[in-house]
Amino acid sequence: QQQVKQSPQSLIVQKGGISIINCAYENTAFDYFPWYQQFPGKGPALLIAIRPDVSEKKEGRFTISFNKSAKQFSLHIMDSQPGDSATYFCAAGVFGGSARQLTFGSGTQLTVLP
Amino acid sequence: DAGVIQSPRHEVTEMGQEVTLRCKPISGHDYLFWYRQTMMRGLELLIYFNNNVPIDDSGMPEDRFSAKMPNASFSTLKIQPSEPRDSAVYFCASSLFLAGGVGELFFGEGSRLTVL
Repeated sequence: QQQVKQSPQSLIVQKGGISIINCAYENTAFDYFPWYQQFPGKGPALLIAIRPDVSEKKEGRFTISFNKSAKQFSLHIMDSQPGDSATYFCAAGVFGGSARQLTFGSGTQLTVLP
Repeated sequence: DAGVIQSPRHEVTEMGQEVTLRCKPISGHDYLFWYRQTMMRGLELLIYFNNNVPIDDSGMPEDRFSAKMPNASFSTLKIQPSEPRDSAVYFCASSLFLAGGVGELFFGEGSRLTVL
């Protein structure tokens, strides 16, 4: 019930295209959904996060869409750039809970071709 | 702030040897996490501390793994004896508790361990 399933495992997009990464969760107690971005040789870094009181959150070219009834959320990268090439992890956790754990998805390796 | 600092960045050792990975969290952060990253299993939480106290070590794979946090600015992850299947990138991360919120996880750059 703690699992977060992420797809696709890898994604290749042309420059200027839209990248879409999907995640699904089972635990209905999850109410905090961040996305982390990891460049080669670096640790993951927080990119954007959403709580289920909104269905969408946008920051620049990055948008999270959230579907509470389906227990799914996705990351959309508009106008994808070669500099966006990285591994993206979705995660889920409990907002304000006593446990400070996040359950991470398996990651998506995004390659944006020039 | 310099961020989360991990050492060594790379470690190559032989099976059976002891390995010690080190982490300095961001000053003022009250949570520290150790993660392991592999292609097969992704990011796995091994253990986390709150105010230097281990809270949940259920992710530690075996008794060969141990972690300590003697003070707020230092933590170690030790593997003894090491085995080839321990080869992975080990990340340390820290965060600050936010009342009514979830503190952002700040990761170090990782320690890449290769056990021959």
